[in-house]
Amino acid sequence: KNEVEQSPQNLTAQEGEFITINCSYSVGISALHWLQQHPGGGIVSLFMLSSGKKKHGRLIATINIQEKHSSLHITASHPRDSAVYICAALAYGGATNKLIFGTGTLLAVQP
Amino acid sequence: DAGITQSPRHKVTETGTPVTLRCHQTENHRYMYWYRQDPGHGLRLIHYSYGVKDTDKGEVSDGYSVSRSKTEDFLLTLESATSSQTSVYFCAISEFNSGANVLTFGAGSRLTVL
Repeated sequence: KNEVEQSPQNLTAQEGEFITINCSYSVGISALHWLQQHPGGGIVSLFMLSSGKKKHGRLIATINIQEKHSSLHITASHPRDSAVYICAALAYGGATNKLIFGTGTLLAVQP
Repeated sequence: DAGITQSPRHKVTETGTPVTLRCHQTENHRYMYWYRQDPGHGLRLIHYSYGVKDTDKGEVSDGYSVSRSKTEDFLLTLESATSSQTSVYFCAISEFNSGANVLTFGAGSRLTVL
């Protein structure tokens, strides 16, 4: 079993829909990142969370440390949101903090 | 991305040849990582570094070695490239800054081993 699990693996939505992507992890973490990768593109960090909730524009990320679960929400989705979304857990390791990635969620938003 | 560059961005080589990919940062971040990304596998950690000359293996380290002789450079070497090492390689840098963890990826290096 992977230490970081994402669901769903693939998601197709109509423009304007509310989207949720989930991430569960089984290791102790000091932070969790949500990343975005457009087809053929680089990887950018959307959020870094260690507790609570963060919002940036139409994107909202939440984390529940006790339940070891995080969600990424997209409100009023748009075709330009089509990308792979990846959660990455920064696992405790003393001096050797290590990033562990989920396998990603491929989101396609249709006009 | 600003502050991190990978070179070369594209390389085609033949089986059995050595290959070195370079990751260079100007952010003075402590942590540096090398990943490979393949269809169906997502990002997989090859090696990482938590300081100069401090490195450790990731989940797919066989066939790869790394070196970090100074803070700004993290080199990934394929001693004898194989076709299974055809992939896109991403470098990332990370640091804790004012209680937040900053994470930045390079633009990726596409390696084709014929």
